[in-house]
Amino acid sequence: SSELTQDPAVSVALGQTVRITCQGDSLRNYYGSWYQQKPGQAPILVIYGKNNRPSGIPDRFSGSTSGTTASLTITGAQAEDEADYYCSSRDSSGNHLNWVFGGGTKLTVL
Amino acid sequence: QVQLQESGPGLVKPSETLSLTCTVSYDSISSNYWSWIRQPPGKGLEYLGYIYYSGTTNYNPSLNNRITISVDTSKNQFSLKLSSVTAADTAVYYCARLVGSLVFGEAFDMWGQGTMVTVSS
Repeated sequence: SSELTQDPAVSVALGQTVRITCQGDSLRNYYGSWYQQKPGQAPILVIYGKNNRPSGIPDRFSGSTSGTTASLTITGAQAEDEADYYCSSRDSSGNHLNWVFGGGTKLTVL
Repeated sequence: QVQLQESGPGLVKPSETLSLTCTVSYDSISSNYWSWIRQPPGKGLEYLGYIYYSGTTNYNPSLNNRITISVDTSKNQFSLKLSSVTAADTAVYYCARLVGSLVFGEAFDMWGQGTMVTVSS
């Protein structure tokens, strides 16, 4: 199966901009999606498709893709953005019907 | 606002079958795709499989044919069965709705709160 690779940890100063990346061959063929997960809670979808935010997600969250790398950008990070972030996409190997997740990035807001 | 709620035993013995049900509220299960995802303690997310209301399924091949997902449209529920469990199957199990299109993007947009299942004798 395809793999999605994320940096294990990233930090950002309060109010600054941070980019979390996700690299994988499947992203050349399929859009990725991004999920925020706080301790003890279920993941929440924050970005999907080209750069779509579900209702209720602040506009400081944005997404982009270039080649095999998808990025989640938080512009003006807030304390409440401290969480684990996971990317996901369809698996471009095999029958293309499976899904894969990245290993997750722990974001610390300093 | 659609709601998903997992239910089932929190403790399963090794070699037995794990069974969970997801009840969907405020959305018809006869639309979209419905999936199961799990997260071992302290680890990342793993896609298990999905089902369409018609019964069409897709399973993660890494589960080596141990998984079955079924749907009960009359109860607006879908279920997960994972056979021959071991300690490696200990995880929080989430049900989630899979929406979207290849053109605009697909995503797991709504999740249940998750249920912890421990495999232990």
